[in-house]
Amino acid sequence: GAVVSQHPSWVICKSGTSVKIECRSLDFQATTMFWYRQFPKQSLMLMATSNEGSKATYEQGVEKDKFLINHASLTLSTLTVTSAHPEDSSFYICSASVGGEQFFGPGTRLTVL
Amino acid sequence: GEDVEQSLFLSVREGDSSVINCTYTDSSSTYLYWYKQEPGAGLQLLTYIFSNMDMKQDQRLTVLLNKKDKHLSLRIADTQTGDSAIYFCAESITGKLIFGQGTTLQVKP
Repeated sequence: GAVVSQHPSWVICKSGTSVKIECRSLDFQATTMFWYRQFPKQSLMLMATSNEGSKATYEQGVEKDKFLINHASLTLSTLTVTSAHPEDSSFYICSASVGGEQFFGPGTRLTVL
Repeated sequence: GEDVEQSLFLSVREGDSSVINCTYTDSSSTYLYWYKQEPGAGLQLLTYIFSNMDMKQDQRLTVLLNKKDKHLSLRIADTQTGDSAIYFCAESITGKLIFGQGTTLQVKP
């Protein structure tokens, strides 16, 4: 149980385009989902906390207009990287929280050319 | 402030014990976690310890918590090549996880 999926697992896009990443809790409902960013050989940095039906809470330094988060249902949160640039290339990981525990998705590798 | 520090690299021989250390600064942590990340994958929860505990053992894994020194360690007994990965400690503060930089564990056959 407690499986979290992400789609796509990897994506390559041109600079200036927007990319949407989905995070789904497959066998449980999650009122809270989290989005992290991980640079190579570095730690996970929390980008935002997403609560179902309300606006996401962004961490300091994260541009909310750049990284749009929508948590439309108890099993789905999406992260849209708008007007992506090469510096947005990273590994994006989501997690879904239930019972105080976070379950992590497998991550999405974004490469912006 | 919130800060979690780990050593970056550890190399051991197969069959030896591995000890990965972590220090944290925020004493209000409720839970402390150890996660494992294999290349190109997400995080797998290995174990966790409640902040009022000193030790927790789970098969080959032993977690020690020194709350006074804000020091957490993960011991892996009989380390196997399949244990090679990056290990992250994390503290939970008001529902958010703050991660260390990760320790790369290399297991030599």
